[in-house]
Amino acid sequence: DAGVIQSPRHEVTEMGQEVTLRCKPISGHDYLFWYRQTMMRGLELLIYFNNNVPIDDSGMPEDRFSAKMPNASFSTLKIQPSEPRDSAVYFCASSPADGSYEQYFGPGTRLTVT
Amino acid sequence: SQKIEQNSEALNIQEGKTATLTCNYTNYSPAYLQWYRQDPGRGPVFLLLIRENEKEKRKERLKVTFDTTLKQSLFHITASQPADSATYLCALERGSQGNLIFGKGTKLSVKP
Repeated sequence: DAGVIQSPRHEVTEMGQEVTLRCKPISGHDYLFWYRQTMMRGLELLIYFNNNVPIDDSGMPEDRFSAKMPNASFSTLKIQPSEPRDSAVYFCASSPADGSYEQYFGPGTRLTVT
Repeated sequence: SQKIEQNSEALNIQEGKTATLTCNYTNYSPAYLQWYRQDPGRGPVFLLLIRENEKEKRKERLKVTFDTTLKQSLFHITASQPADSATYLCALERGSQGNLIFGKGTKLSVKP
């Protein structure tokens, strides 16, 4: 398996623009997580899904952020409108439902909002 | 709310020595705790999980301890090598599958 795939790897956009980040989890994994990492706040959980259903979105900073998982092999995180304070590295991770609780992270998307 | 702290932002040690990293937490009793390694420009990689009823866990040169009374986990790398240089993150579960809170990490540098 290729591991968790994220695209794009880098995104530079202007304030006010819509940004869409994409993730393909490892096949067969039932859980999918979106994280944001900054120097100031570290790695923070934004939202996670179980079998394509959002379970906990309490980490989503505000209504400008939304996430979807239309099927088991694809998820998106959208920011609309984007702001400079959204600049961070966004990670997607997936996990099997085998009791291991081990999370497999993607390479991340580095987002810069100017 | 739960709080997790990794005491050192950075740790420098000599090759061959044992590196010991500390993770403390408050306001919670996690069922398990995990340690991850993160290299620059990459996502975290899972290393070890230790459950609340386990005192110690080992994997090759890695050893993790979990003291639920002190609310502390220690992460040891024995016979450290320059290739062990990375940032190490601890994470504790908070109530459901995979719902983790991460510490900010300790950057380990192993000098030859």
